Amino acid sequence: GAGVSQSPSNKVTEKGKDVELRCDPISGHTALYWYRQSLGQGLEFLIYFQGNSAPDKSGLPSDRFSAERTGGSVSTLTIQRTQQEDSAVYLCASSTGPNEKLFFGSGTQLSVL
Amino acid sequence: GQNIDQPTEMTATEGAIVQINCTYQTSGFNGLFWYQQHAGEAPTFLSYNVLDGLEEKGRFSSFLSRSKGYSYLLLKELQMKDSASYLCAVRGSGNTPLVFGKGTRLSVIA
Repeated sequence: GAGVSQSPSNKVTEKGKDVELRCDPISGHTALYWYRQSLGQGLEFLIYFQGNSAPDKSGLPSDRFSAERTGGSVSTLTIQRTQQEDSAVYLCASSTGPNEKLFFGSGTQLSVL
Repeated sequence: GQNIDQPTEMTATEGAIVQINCTYQTSGFNGLFWYQQHAGEAPTFLSYNVLDGLEEKGRFSSFLSRSKGYSYLLLKELQMKDSASYLCAVRGSGNTPLVFGKGTRLSVIA
């Protein structure tokens, strides 16, 4: 596609439910990132995929968070048993390589009630 | 680990020049990025520095000193539309991910 696409754009869920957030990176981009941004805050790194290498999961805040990237393209971020503190904008970004600029999607606004 | 520091907020006058500083401590260094983020929108790329010196791109310039762990973003001829958050991001050694600072919220006033 022309840009990084994320879905849904907004997600409201109840505490304790599981959610899945989807990211379609720019075609051919080998690097894919997930970040989280709380209101008025900076970007918090979550997970990084680069080509066929094992993902860097060092930013995942707890074992309730997981992500996968199928076929080197689409990625899904899953949050199990959501908590209110998970409420944030989840941003996905992709790039052509590890030292290249990132292109961001518009994000998923997650609200946990 | 990595630590990136930048001022939380700045205010400047339309038409003026403003400099936004960023200091960092990383294990190795593979480049420093500046991104602009308007409220409610995704970040967009502004500049990339990997060697010491100044990179100029229109009204925006970015400077890097690797020995000092320091960068700045210089915005000239400020316009109201430049009101946004400016994010400094650094890549460390090897295949480490790009880590962002907390951002500097710039307000341009008339």
